[in-house]
Amino acid sequence: AIQMTQSPSSLSASVGDRVTITCRASQGIRNDLGWYQQKPGKAPKLLIYATSILQSGVPSRFSGSGSGTDFTLTISSLQPEDFGTYYCLQDYNYPLTFGPGTKVDIK
Amino acid sequence: QLQLQESGPGLVKPSETLSLTCTVSDGSISRSSHYWGWIRQSPGKGLEWIGTVFHGGGTYYNPSLTSRVTVSVDTSKNQFSLKLTSVTAADTAVYYCTRRLRAGDNLYLMDVWGQGTTVTVSS
Repeated sequence: AIQMTQSPSSLSASVGDRVTITCRASQGIRNDLGWYQQKPGKAPKLLIYATSILQSGVPSRFSGSGSGTDFTLTISSLQPEDFGTYYCLQDYNYPLTFGPGTKVDIK
Repeated sequence: QLQLQESGPGLVKPSETLSLTCTVSDGSISRSSHYWGWIRQSPGKGLEWIGTVFHGGGTYYNPSLTSRVTVSVDTSKNQFSLKLTSVTAADTAVYYCTRRLRAGDNLYLMDVWGQGTTVTVSS
C-alpha cells in the first residue's frame, strides 16, 4: 500500500497568514491526490482533487500543487473559519490511503 | 444534490457483526460513474478507507480488513451496506459512507460524504 505522510502535524497561524501543508507519497501517484478539511464532529469536506482542481464552492484562497510524490496545499490568506484538520488522500490505486492529518489552529 | 445517510446500530458486542446501511437520496445509485464506499475514523485518530463497491458489484477492500468486510449495493432500495464480522474494541469508530465520482479518465473525487455514524463495540 502507498503510505502518505504530512507535515507539519499541527500549526498555529494568524488570520491573514499564508499557510502551507505538505503531503508526500511513498511512491509516485501522478496527480491523483485530494485534500480534505475536517472540523470537529463533522464529516470531511473535499477541497481539492486531482492535486489542483478546486471543488465547487471552495474559496479561491485554497490551492494545491505538486506531482509524483510531493504535494502542497496552500491557504493564501488564513481565515477564522479555516481551523480544522486537513487530510490528503491518494486515489491513484487501491487501497486508498490518507495522510495522518495536519491540525490548523487560529492564533 | 445527492445526499448520503448512514444508519445502523450504535452498539455492537465483541465478536458480533457490525452492519450499516447508507441511503442515497436525490440521485441514482446505479450510475456507472459512481463508486460507493466506507471510511472510518477511530476516536481521536485519522481516516481509514474500508472498502468500495462499483457499478456491476465489483469491490475493493482494505487489506487489513478484507477477511472480515463486505460492501454491497441494493439497487432496488438505492442503498449500499457495510458488514464487518468478528468485531473488537478496535473497530469502535465513526463510520462514513461516501461517493467516489469518476469525473473523467483517471479523474476521481470523493465528493459526497454522509454525516457519519458512531459505532461502539462493547459488551
